[in-house]
Amino acid sequence: VQLVESGGGVVQPGRSLRLSCEGSGFTFSRCGMYWVRQAPGGGLECVTFISFDGKTKYYGDSVKGRFTVSRDDSKNTVYLEMNDLRAEDTAVYYCARDMWKATTGNYFDYWGQGTLVSVSS
Amino acid sequence: IQLTQSPSSLSASLGERVTITCRASQGISSYLAWYQQNPGKGPKLLIYGASTLQSGVPSRFSGSGSGTDFTLTISSLQPEDFATYYCQQLNSFPYTFGQGTKLEIK
Repeated sequence: VQLVESGGGVVQPGRSLRLSCEGSGFTFSRCGMYWVRQAPGGGLECVTFISFDGKTKYYGDSVKGRFTVSRDDSKNTVYLEMNDLRAEDTAVYYCARDMWKATTGNYFDYWGQGTLVSVSS
Repeated sequence: IQLTQSPSSLSASLGERVTITCRASQGISSYLAWYQQNPGKGPKLLIYGASTLQSGVPSRFSGSGSGTDFTLTISSLQPEDFATYYCQQLNSFPYTFGQGTKLEIK
């Protein structure tokens, strides 16, 4: 299992950026996916979730209305479209695979190496 | 749901037994996971369902607890264990994380 994020970079406040996460080594279309971010020197924040079929999406309050998650199973890729970026969105963004078991619930079993987004004028 | 980890940092010696605690602001049953993170890397899953060891993780790691109080124990510290540890609740979205515990060599 491998997850590879891309698309990070330096962007001005108010602008947009799209991140990608390509999965390999597993049946991508059967898995829900998360985006999690980590501010410099900070903790982890779960930003968004998309279900295996793309029908269910959740967003954290800090990004609701500005970020949109989507997926293209033909490319084994999940995307994070980020609009109206703010300085507080500066972070390393990780994608993670969702795993669920009836006895234990959900957990994030594989993570990518992350891509850095820096919002600065 | 807020998670409070303690301690926030910990100095320990090789071979020592250490315990990290995680307290939830409300009951989360056993929907808790523990992760290990090394600098510049994505987190690695250690424990899920509060006490189930992820495949490939050494048996010196163990988790316990339910409801609001949880612990991660490392029975005998090895050099590769010095890292930052996070708990995460998966009872309700957004799946929040604790603030982290940095484990350092004494």
